[in-house]
Amino acid sequence: GQQVMQIPQYQHVQEGEDFTTYCNSSTTLSNIQWYKQRPGGHPVFLIQLVKSGEVKKQKRLTFQFGEAKKNSSLHITATQTTDVGTYFCAGPGSGGSNYKLTFGKGTLLTVNP
Amino acid sequence: KAGVTQTPRYLIKTRGQQVTLSCSPISGHRSVSWYQQTPGQGLQFLFEYFSETQRNKGNFPGRFSGRQFSNSRSEMNVSTLELGDSALYLCASSLGGAPPPEQYFGPGTRLTVT
Repeated sequence: GQQVMQIPQYQHVQEGEDFTTYCNSSTTLSNIQWYKQRPGGHPVFLIQLVKSGEVKKQKRLTFQFGEAKKNSSLHITATQTTDVGTYFCAGPGSGGSNYKLTFGKGTLLTVNP
Repeated sequence: KAGVTQTPRYLIKTRGQQVTLSCSPISGHRSVSWYQQTPGQGLQFLFEYFSETQRNKGNFPGRFSGRQFSNSRSEMNVSTLELGDSALYLCASSLGGAPPPEQYFGPGTRLTVT
């Protein structure tokens, strides 16, 4: 079945450093979504990318969707303590599983003030 | 607009018992998905319902079941609980459609099986 892999599993940075997490799918995706889960919280939707090669920015966050629509990345510039949490990517299934989202295992970001 | 609500928030059960979890979606959302979240396996899809019909099911044993009511509220049931069922169970609602649009998650139900 479809697999979505994320690396790294953990990332610890000093406040002000940059952070990047990578997401790779075993199949071509029609779109990819990113979520953030704060410690003790629930996943919150950040963004959806649809087009091949798409790049979207949200303040210090930059999201990219690969040309082949099988990979994506999230880059945070100058991290802050408020960025702490687990970042997940998620891709939809296809064929008979097209109402299902498959999540990567996430990247846990910790920030040292 | 009220968010997704889940009840109960915490639950402690014994092996062999069964449990029912409830999820009320955002008003107007007809799709409800359920996920199991554990430290080792991450977020795993259980099933998705839309207008009282299960449209997709994940790779979980038949002990895991669900249903959706006409008001879009959903319940999931786990029978014959096992220690490995201890997890955070999250439901998410959306407008529905394929591929799935952005999901709005509830706070989850933390289930502990002893």
